[in-house]
Amino acid sequence: EPEVTQTPSHQVTQMGQEVILRCVPISNHLYFYWYRQILGQKVEFLVSFYNNEISEKSEIFDDQFSVERPDGSNFTLKIRSTKLEDSAMYFCASSEAQLLRGPSDTQYFGPGTRLTVL
Amino acid sequence: GQNIDQPTEMTATEGAIVQINCTYQTSGFNGLFWYQQHAGEAPTFLSYNVLDGLEEKGRFSSFLSRSKGYSYLLLKELQMKDSASYLCAVSLSSMDSNYQLIWGAGTKLIIKP
Repeated sequence: EPEVTQTPSHQVTQMGQEVILRCVPISNHLYFYWYRQILGQKVEFLVSFYNNEISEKSEIFDDQFSVERPDGSNFTLKIRSTKLEDSAMYFCASSEAQLLRGPSDTQYFGPGTRLTVL
Repeated sequence: GQNIDQPTEMTATEGAIVQINCTYQTSGFNGLFWYQQHAGEAPTFLSYNVLDGLEEKGRFSSFLSRSKGYSYLLLKELQMKDSASYLCAVSLSSMDSNYQLIWGAGTKLIIKP
């Protein structure tokens, strides 16, 4: 069964450093998402991406964040200058476009990258 | 603002039935998802309701009332492996953009033998 994959599974970095989190969405999916979940807290939407551009982003997704689809398979989240409060689990998700109902389809999640900022 | 409420924690007995409620007040509504999340793992999809009524899928069923802003997840014949957090998420939609998922805080379900 196709699945979303993410690398690395765990990233430890120093405050102020840049990190890139990588995701490979399910191959026939067209909509991609990043979420984060701080330990013990709820899942929070960061950004959605379609047709090589951001379609929506939350207040959390400020100038230190960026996303990119550098090739036909990868989808990356870059955090330019990490802060202690960026420590969280970052989940990538993807969904298949449905032309009849719009992109109102199930989002399938990757296993997550645990980011620890020291 | 967007608001999704679920009980923080519930306890049930192996083999029994449990109902996890979710109420929501959101600007826009496209559908409601239920996800299961084991500690330290990613959410995994359980069900999706767009229309009012009950969707049954094996031991799990989900109900939606759009007029009441209410959903529940019903788990039957509980097994120990069902111990997890159950997340209610509302899909918002707008005319000119993708939808996004707004998440409840999750209900931690503890199954006792």
